Amino acid sequence: QKEVEQNSGPLSVPEGAIASLNCTYSDRGSQSFFWYRQYSGKSPELIMFIYSNGDKEDGRFTAQLNKASQYVSLLIRDSQPSDSATYLCAVSGGYDMRFGAGTRLTVKP
Amino acid sequence: GAVVSQHPSRVICKSGTSVKIECRSLDFQATTMFWYRQFPKQSLMLMATSNEGSKATYEQGVEKDKFLINHASLTLSTLTVTSAHPEDSSFYICSARRGQGNNSPLHFGNGTRLTVT
Repeated sequence: QKEVEQNSGPLSVPEGAIASLNCTYSDRGSQSFFWYRQYSGKSPELIMFIYSNGDKEDGRFTAQLNKASQYVSLLIRDSQPSDSATYLCAVSGGYDMRFGAGTRLTVKP
Repeated sequence: GAVVSQHPSRVICKSGTSVKIECRSLDFQATTMFWYRQFPKQSLMLMATSNEGSKATYEQGVEKDKFLINHASLTLSTLTVTSAHPEDSSFYICSARRGQGNNSPLHFGNGTRLTVT
């Protein structure tokens, strides 16, 4: 069974702080990694994807990948109340994509 | 803008009836689409992979005779929940890859909230 694990949270941070979201995966053959944001009652929307070890930055978001440790993370800088949502880690090793259970983030004003 | 369109967004039906959900790829062709189901406060669970021109591939535990999938064109896949029961009430979401290759991101439709009474 190919597993994607996330801390379900909830994770609460004050406005302006850095939120750190973590994800581990079991399939060493995984090649691509994604972070989606899902607001309550809505479908997921893509935030970032990363394929190579290291960091990838896009605005306030930074994705970090360590394939040796089978670990991927998402950092959100200058967190805003509008960032409050569930963040889904997704891993793809080929044909389909597997999702973690998601981490619920709350950014308090 | 949206790259995957899903309809309807919400449906309420009586137990025993069937419901059809449509998923369309906008301005791109999708030979493969994916159908997910999400129960409240749970993760997305892959139900089946819809393949244009051939039979869908169902995940273990998903009844193919209950969840009928038709991918008749390169831009349209449909999911029909047959003889729906209250336990089928859930959030159904379709998705497709817009780019080439199996590692490109999935783009999701807006989802369909099914309530079976």
